[in-house]
Amino acid sequence: AQSVTQLDSQVPVFEEAPVELRCNYSSSVSVYLFWYVQYPNQGLQLLLKYLSGSTLVKGINGFEAEFNKSQTSFHLRKPSVHISDTAEYFCAVKGSFKTIFGAGTRLFVKA
Amino acid sequence: GAVVSQHPSRVICKSGTSVKIECRSLDFQATTMFWYRQFPKKSLMLMATSNEGSKATYEQGVEKDKFLINHASLTLSTLTVTSAHPEDSSFYICSARETGQETQYFGPGTRLLVL
Repeated sequence: AQSVTQLDSQVPVFEEAPVELRCNYSSSVSVYLFWYVQYPNQGLQLLLKYLSGSTLVKGINGFEAEFNKSQTSFHLRKPSVHISDTAEYFCAVKGSFKTIFGAGTRLFVKA
Repeated sequence: GAVVSQHPSRVICKSGTSVKIECRSLDFQATTMFWYRQFPKKSLMLMATSNEGSKATYEQGVEKDKFLINHASLTLSTLTVTSAHPEDSSFYICSARETGQETQYFGPGTRLLVL
């Protein structure tokens, strides 16, 4: 069985500041990891994914994430956020079968 | 690439009527499609997984006779909410996974309001 924990339900941050959204997972098998972003009243958009290879993954909109197997984490980072990054962010883990989504982290960027 | 559409984007219906939502993969073939329900300020709840040409697999607690899923082609899956009630009001999101791939691509969602 797998599980995903997003440690912060809300993250307020000022514009142009760096941000890290935390994601930890548990799984008894190898996993694939994803981050999605959801803007109000829209579906989910893939930000980035880790399938294999380099543990540092770069995605769209300047986001990146690092897969840390020993800490079972896949934290999402951006060095300088914009107002337009305000959205809900979901971490997801896929093991053998299903993709499990975290509860989401609301990133709120303040001017 | 990897675009998924949903139609309609928004629907209002009377209690007791049925509503059909379409999910299409526009530029790839999707052997597997997923239907989710999302409550306000909550994560996605997987309702069912559909594989082209076979019966959908429903998650525990999801009534298969109420939420009918059809995946008749590699680019189209439909969710029909039968005899809708106000408690069925929600945001329904589909996703599609290309054959042999691991990534899911999501549709824009359908807001259902049952009066």
